[in-house]
Amino acid sequence: GAGVSQTPSNKVTEKGKYVELRCDPISGHTALYWYRQSLGQGPEFLIYFQGTGAADDSGLPNDRFFAVRPEGSVSTLKIQRTERGDSAVYLCASSLGVLGSEETQYFGPGTRLLVL
Amino acid sequence: AQSVSQHNHHVILSEAASLELGCNYSYGGTVNLFWYVQYPGQHLQLLLKYFSGDPLVKGIKGFEAEFIKSKFSFNLRKPSVQWSDTAEYFCAVGPPNAGKSTFGDGTTLTVKP
Repeated sequence: GAGVSQTPSNKVTEKGKYVELRCDPISGHTALYWYRQSLGQGPEFLIYFQGTGAADDSGLPNDRFFAVRPEGSVSTLKIQRTERGDSAVYLCASSLGVLGSEETQYFGPGTRLLVL
Repeated sequence: AQSVSQHNHHVILSEAASLELGCNYSYGGTVNLFWYVQYPGQHLQLLLKYFSGDPLVKGIKGFEAEFIKSKFSFNLRKPSVQWSDTAEYFCAVGPPNAGKSTFGDGTTLTVKP
C-alpha cells in the first residue's frame, strides 16, 4: 500500500525566501508529525497534529515556522524568511492514532532543503 | 526536558559478531521507548518498541532490546549480525500517549562480509 509521501524531494532556495513542504500521510491516519534532521543528528521534533489541530507545536524553533493540516489529511510545513541554518532534511510521519502501545509511526522519505 | 544519548557513533563489525548498541535517556516520568533503523536509501522504520510489561522486547530481523529502568537504558542487541544489517540506528523516547518523540543522534553500523 501507499506509504507517507513528501514533496518536493529536494528544494533549493535562497536566503530570505518562503518555502512550503508537503506531506501526504497514510490514508486514515489521524496523527501526523513533522521532524527536522540536520546532518549527523537524529530527527528533531517540530510539531504533531491530531486531526486538523496542532496538539503539540513545542518543537517549532521560532515564528518563521508554521504548519497546517486543514482537512485532517495533507499537511504543509511553511518556512518564512529562510535562513542558511534551516538547511536540513524535513521528515514527516503518520500513525493511525496517537502514539501508544498499538500505534507505530511511519516515516516518509523526507524533503531535503538547502538554503543558499 | 527529555534527552537521549547513544554512546557509539560508528560501529564496525564482521558478520556473525554480536551487537550491542547503547541508549540512555533522561526523563522524569513513564516513557515509551523505540529503536528505529534506516537502511541505505530507505525511510526510517520501526525496529521495536517498549510501552509496558516485559522489559525484554523482541523486534524484527532478530533484534531485541532490554529496558532497565534503574539505569535509564534501552540497549539494542542482536546475537549474530549480517551484512544486511548495515544501517543507521536511532533510539527514541517519548511520554505515553503523546506525539512527541526525542531521538538520539544515531549509531552507524557497518557490517563487513
